[in-house]
Amino acid sequence: AQSVTQLGSHVSVSEGALVLLRCNYSSSVPPYLFWYVQYPNQGLQLLLKYTSAATLVKGINGFEAEFKKSETSFHLTKPSAHMRDAAEYFCAVSPHNTDKLIFGTGTRLQVFP
Amino acid sequence: DTAVSQTPKYLVTQMGNDKSIKCEQNLGHDTMYWYKQDSKKFLKIMFSYNNKELIINETVPNRFSPKSPDKAHLNLHINSLELGDSAVYFCASSGDRYEAFFGQGTRLTVV
Repeated sequence: AQSVTQLGSHVSVSEGALVLLRCNYSSSVPPYLFWYVQYPNQGLQLLLKYTSAATLVKGINGFEAEFKKSETSFHLTKPSAHMRDAAEYFCAVSPHNTDKLIFGTGTRLQVFP
Repeated sequence: DTAVSQTPKYLVTQMGNDKSIKCEQNLGHDTMYWYKQDSKKFLKIMFSYNNKELIINETVPNRFSPKSPDKAHLNLHINSLELGDSAVYFCASSGDRYEAFFGQGTRLTVV
């Protein structure tokens, strides 16, 4: 079964520092991969998606992620963290034969001034 | 103009009661979903409907019954509520596999 693993349930960075949130997937076939963000008491918002096109994907709010098949990874990065980036981030995979999303366990990003 | 809206936002009820959560989307999408987020923030799909037809039922107890009167609405009815049903329930919709739009969530607390 396809799945994603997010390493690190909590990540803390200083404002202006690099953000790196890790996600590894398990799939025999490169799946569709997503990063969603959840701000407190809100629903999920799509940050970016990988759908078999360019391996470096740029999303909203300055985030990007690189699909690396050799490492089965889809890590999320942002060069310079902002206080407003503090939220829960979810990596997700969509198997090729379904419409559902399988989520990772989430990573809470804290940004300190 | 809200894309995916759920009501109510908060629901507190006693064990054994029956309750419903409503969801509506104005995006013209064919597919709608219910996801459950537990107290540890873990998200798991419960159901998906495509054009009013049930597509995915992820071994959810029979006490949970989704109903889709039309492709813009997907309601969730829960019978005989249990303490373990306490969670945040998210409705979502998608027009293709590339992006799902989520509602704000309904926080259900069973006491």
